[in-house]
Amino acid sequence: EPEVTQTPSHQVTQMGQEVILRCVPISNHLYFYWYRQILGQKVEFLVSFYNNEISEKSEIFDDQFSVERPDGSNFTLKIRSTKLEDSAMYFCASSGDRENTEAFFGQGTRLTVV
Amino acid sequence: KNQVEQSPQSLIILEGKNCTLQCNYTVSPFSNLRWYKQDTGRGPVSLTIMTFSENTKSNGRYTATLDADTKQSSLHITASQLSDSASYICVVNLPHNTNAGKSTFGDGTTLTVKP
Repeated sequence: EPEVTQTPSHQVTQMGQEVILRCVPISNHLYFYWYRQILGQKVEFLVSFYNNEISEKSEIFDDQFSVERPDGSNFTLKIRSTKLEDSAMYFCASSGDRENTEAFFGQGTRLTVV
Repeated sequence: KNQVEQSPQSLIILEGKNCTLQCNYTVSPFSNLRWYKQDTGRGPVSLTIMTFSENTKSNGRYTATLDADTKQSSLHITASQLSDSASYICVVNLPHNTNAGKSTFGDGTTLTVKP
């Protein structure tokens, strides 16, 4: 069964460092998403991406965040200068069509900023 | 104020019993309402997707209902199993062509099924 894969599963970084979280969406999907979940809190939408550009983003997705689809398979989330409060689980998801089809989530990358 | 509110916050039931989880939302208009199951430390898994014009959607032992007039949705789980223990999340998606289009997640209901 096709699945969304995320690497690494756990990333520890020092405050102020840049991190890149990687995702391989399901191959024939067109829409890609990043979410985050701070420990013990609800999932929060960060950004959606379609046709090589951001289609929607939340208030959380400020200038320190960026997304990229550098090739036909990878979808990355970059955090330029990490802060302690960026520590969270980051989920990537993909869907074939944005509106009414199922979104498949990866297993997440746990980011710990120290 | 959270635009998607779920109740109860947590629920404990015995294996084999049924249960119903509630979701009230204020998000409007919306494209679809989804229910997800999230096991601890894992990514959410889609259970049902309903557009605003649908009243009910089933997926095995899971049945979701939607009342767009009262802005309420419910997820009914039949004949619960131990593996149903998880967080159940209600998510409302705004239409694509609005500037504020995005997903709004509820806080989830933590369900524990005991033998």
